[in-house]
Amino acid sequence: GAVVSQHPSRVICKSGTSVKIECRSLDFQATTMFWYRQFPKQSLMLMATSNEGSKATYEQGVEKDKFLINHASLTLSTLTVTSAHPEDSSFYICSAARLAGASETQYFGPGTRLLVL
Amino acid sequence: SQQGEEDPQALSIQEGENATMNCSYKTSINNLQWYRQNSGRGLVHLILIRSNEREKHSGRLRVTLDTSKKSSSLLITASRAADTASYFCATDAPVGGYNKLIFGAGTRLAVHP
Repeated sequence: GAVVSQHPSRVICKSGTSVKIECRSLDFQATTMFWYRQFPKQSLMLMATSNEGSKATYEQGVEKDKFLINHASLTLSTLTVTSAHPEDSSFYICSAARLAGASETQYFGPGTRLLVL
Repeated sequence: SQQGEEDPQALSIQEGENATMNCSYKTSINNLQWYRQNSGRGLVHLILIRSNEREKHSGRLRVTLDTSKKSSSLLITASRAADTASYFCATDAPVGGYNKLIFGAGTRLAVHP
């Protein structure tokens, strides 16, 4: 099956620092990757969609300058939370799809728990 | 805004009983998917049902889809303690010019031994 990894699995940082989260497709090429955020006991909210080699498409209300997404290769996408604040503390989950713009079959990573102090 | 709404928000049953979760959505969809999430973990894909399908089975799971009512249900038969998790429906639909998965609020299922 298709495997997606995320690193780190947990991160604690001080307010004002930046945190980078990596999402890798281990055994397939992911043309499209998605980033979601999940607050405790809530659902997943799509933050942005990124296609390899092009700029990410952000959902309404998601600040692109705060959540920097880079999808430089077919196996790696990164999400950088810049100048993190306690309200950014959340569970961040990525997913990957083989085909460009394909949302039907997404393979999800295990998630990264971010705690901003 | 979220596409899907789920009910119940929480469900507590005994082992061996059946668990039914419902999901409603607002717009036309390509397909609807159900996922499971154990506490603090990633998502596990359970089943996908296309818009032209009405029912699908996978092991102890049975999913129905009623596009006229814009609703779906997930039935877990003969539940086990290991089924304890949160269950989410997700609609795959064109939104804003491209396809995306929109998740429902989820149902937290607790199965007691």
